[in-house]
Amino acid sequence: AQTVTQSQPEMSVQEAETVTLSCTYDTSESNYYLFWYKQPPSRQMILVIRQEAYKQQNATENRFSVNFQKAAKSFSLKISDSQLGDTAMYFCAFMKPYSGGGADGLTFGKGTHLIIQP
Amino acid sequence: DTGVSQNPRHKITKRGQNVTFRCDPISEHNRLYWYRQTLGQGPEFLTYFQNEAQLEKSRLLSDRFSAERPKGSFSTLEIQRTEQGDSAMYLCASSPFGRGTSGGTDTQYFGPGTRLTVL
Repeated sequence: AQTVTQSQPEMSVQEAETVTLSCTYDTSESNYYLFWYKQPPSRQMILVIRQEAYKQQNATENRFSVNFQKAAKSFSLKISDSQLGDTAMYFCAFMKPYSGGGADGLTFGKGTHLIIQP
Repeated sequence: DTGVSQNPRHKITKRGQNVTFRCDPISEHNRLYWYRQTLGQGPEFLTYFQNEAQLEKSRLLSDRFSAERPKGSFSTLEIQRTEQGDSAMYLCASSPFGRGTSGGTDTQYFGPGTRLTVL
């Protein structure tokens, strides 16, 4: 079974600063998918960024980028030029690719509560 | 297309009652997932469908829980004889499995959830 660990329950930074959220995972799979989801207060889960394990290049989406270290099983999220609207719970998630034998859906970490201060 | 919708958004019930939640996925999404999220935790996988077939169920899904997806469109999640431990947010997600560029798996898009409170 896969596990996902987010060791930072809460982080707080000033607006416009850069912040990095940590995520480590444990799996015996060689191919898999990693995601960061954002869950604003009382709002639905939104995909932030996605990474395929077979791709060496780190994914980027505007102000969001990841540092994917496959050997270390680490998948951190960097938010540049943070904005007030980035305040949310951030969840790291793992998923096995469908192999015909079923899939277990996403395995989530416990989340990091990110607070952007004005 | 306005995304994944879930109804009701909130449900308060008494212990022992049955409740049913509905999820309408994004049109043309053939995969539909159910998750449960308790306070301070990440979502936990419950079950998923590909079209109308239920392909996987988590050990979390006790025999009091049943899910259906007739005709491969909307899905319902029913909890019978609710217990206080069932209080949680129930999330639905859908994905266009096999129809995206990745081929092997696809991004899941989440609905707003149904918050269940069992008194």
